[in-house]
Amino acid sequence: DAKTTQPPSMDCAEGRAANLPCNHSTISGNEYVYWYRQIHSQGPQYIIHGLKNNETNEMASLIITEDRKSSTLILPHATLRDTAVYYCIVQTGANNLFFGTGTRLTVIP
Amino acid sequence: GAVVSQHPSRVICKSGTSVKIECRSLDFQATTMFWYRQFPKQSLMLMATSNEGSKATYEQGVEKDKFLINHASLTLSTLTVTSAHPEDSSFYICSARESQVQNTEAFFGQGTRLTVV
Repeated sequence: DAKTTQPPSMDCAEGRAANLPCNHSTISGNEYVYWYRQIHSQGPQYIIHGLKNNETNEMASLIITEDRKSSTLILPHATLRDTAVYYCIVQTGANNLFFGTGTRLTVIP
Repeated sequence: GAVVSQHPSRVICKSGTSVKIECRSLDFQATTMFWYRQFPKQSLMLMATSNEGSKATYEQGVEKDKFLINHASLTLSTLTVTSAHPEDSSFYICSARESQVQNTEAFFGQGTRLTVV
């Protein structure tokens, strides 16, 4: 499974959009991009995933570049409860998920 | 949505004893479940893949005789930490994906915080 690179930390003002980038330049054609988040002392929570088209659900939007080498997770209106570590993972099929170091997002009042 | 339940959420045990952690998929079947360990301020580290009806597959550096995994049914996997020592104190998390469904999300349990004293 391809490796991902994320900034270690980001801040976002409450109510503003949080844009979390992820680089996955070695992604292969059949690998999906998954995003999870982990709030302190809890198990990871699934957010969204996609292959090549942009995706949106009730939690977030996922924008994948045309060459699929990077993506951005967008939380449209960040709240204090969105403070968490966000993990971007690329993998295929039913394989296990290997977690990188993620981005620690802090939403500031 | 699909739910994975993990029990217990917290456990304190004495050094040298064994601890069993259960992971259940509540509304779906999971041929495969995964066990992770997370130390403070670190990311999740995959320990092993639990396969229903067969032996688990362990990641490099994880002692299979110390971390016993049993996946007796399509909805239950257990991790037993044998002869626990203080260095085994950690946050243990399981996850599962619905069987036969490709490229779908994994669901995680709420984690078990193990403290060995």
